[in-house]
Amino acid sequence: KQEVTQIPAALSVPEGENLVLNCSFTDSAIYNLQWFRQDPGKGLTSLLLIQSSQREQTSGRLNASLDKSSGRSTLYIAASQPGDSATYLCAVRGSGNTPLVFGKGTRLSVIA
Amino acid sequence: ETGVTQSPTHLIKTRGQQVTLRCSSQSGHNTVSWYQQALGQGPQFIFQYYREEENGRGNFPPRFSGLQFPNYSSELNVNALELDDSALYLCASSPTPRGGIGIQYFGAGTRLSVL
Repeated sequence: KQEVTQIPAALSVPEGENLVLNCSFTDSAIYNLQWFRQDPGKGLTSLLLIQSSQREQTSGRLNASLDKSSGRSTLYIAASQPGDSATYLCAVRGSGNTPLVFGKGTRLSVIA
Repeated sequence: ETGVTQSPTHLIKTRGQQVTLRCSSQSGHNTVSWYQQALGQGPQFIFQYYREEENGRGNFPPRFSGLQFPNYSSELNVNALELDDSALYLCASSPTPRGGIGIQYFGAGTRLSVL
């Protein structure tokens, strides 16, 4: 059974700092991995999707990497801003039509 | 804007009642999935529908049921509500290319409180 763990559970940083969020998964046979952002009480916004054959994806100040063999992914946020404050969720898909398995998320606070 | 709309946004029910949550997906998104997110937890998969047929189910009892309609709308029904059913319920839709499910687009969710 796939399990996804996110570390740390919460993180508080000053504005402008670069930061890394970590995600690990127990079964390396994944189809893809997706990073989401969730604002309090709201739905999920997809940030980046990495297919199993890819090593990384970039979007603006965000960069996600994937090391499938070690069961790890990182989300790098450059020059953090207060508007980045949210919970970041990592989710993996085991095969093309299986559902996403989520971690519990990392709650990020960026202090102005 | 994901193009996925859920209604209602908030709902309060009492234990033992029944509830129906609704989701409207983008045209062409023939896969819809429902997730339950308890406070402080990641979303947990309830079930998935593809072209109006259930084609995957998580570890949820039969009192959780669903429907998908040809107009890309869907429903989640929960019977005999329990206090632990209090959660944010998320609907996600996706086009389904040959290789499998693509990016899933999530709605804003329905917050259900069971008293």
